[in-house]
Amino acid sequence: KNQVEQSPQSLIILEGKNCTLQCNYTVSPFSNLRWYKQDTGRGPVSLTIMTFSENTKSNGRYTATLDADTKQSSLHITASQLSDSASYICVVEAYNQGGKLIFGQGTELSVKP
Amino acid sequence: ETGVTQSPTHLIKTRGQQVTLRCSSQSGHNTVSWYQQALGQGPQFIFQYYREEENGRGNFPPRFSGLQFPNYSSELNVNALELDDSALYLCASSPLHPGPSVRDTQYFGPGTRLTVL
Repeated sequence: KNQVEQSPQSLIILEGKNCTLQCNYTVSPFSNLRWYKQDTGRGPVSLTIMTFSENTKSNGRYTATLDADTKQSSLHITASQLSDSASYICVVEAYNQGGKLIFGQGTELSVKP
Repeated sequence: ETGVTQSPTHLIKTRGQQVTLRCSSQSGHNTVSWYQQALGQGPQFIFQYYREEENGRGNFPPRFSGLQFPNYSSELNVNALELDDSALYLCASSPLHPGPSVRDTQYFGPGTRLTVL
């Protein structure tokens, strides 16, 4: 069973609009939760990283939230741009397991003009 | 762009062959992790190397093996290739500090696209 589940699987929005991506996880205990952006054919790039004690973290137009009680996280993108088109991956680092990262399957975001 | 490089960019092999993929980590990073990413899926953790020793392994068979060198660069070796090994192989480096409360960030390379025919 996948320990990190993301929704929706894919999303199409118009340029300038906001969107929110969801992540549910069952990894416990965990060290931190991260959101990565992956362009097609490229390696993932870190957007945010939060420990279990943090509720929100921003990086420009990206804002991630974390509810450790319900084991849910979200990534909110404000005023989307064409360059935001990519796969967004939620990642949980398991605690004390040698840096093992558990990836979700990603949400494929497409921003249209 | 991160400072992590991988070679080759693309590779085509046939079933049963062996392959070696290479990764140069970002300057100052002493930990390297390898991931397998099948098409349309998130990356799957293969293993991690810290100071030339394996420091954690995912659910991959022994025919997946690795090395880390004194300069912290790394190799991933896969023996007896199978069709399902076709994937993007990602290498990530990080400045791992032993102990709890690790807040390192892994910097990913561009990946090697392996196709097994």
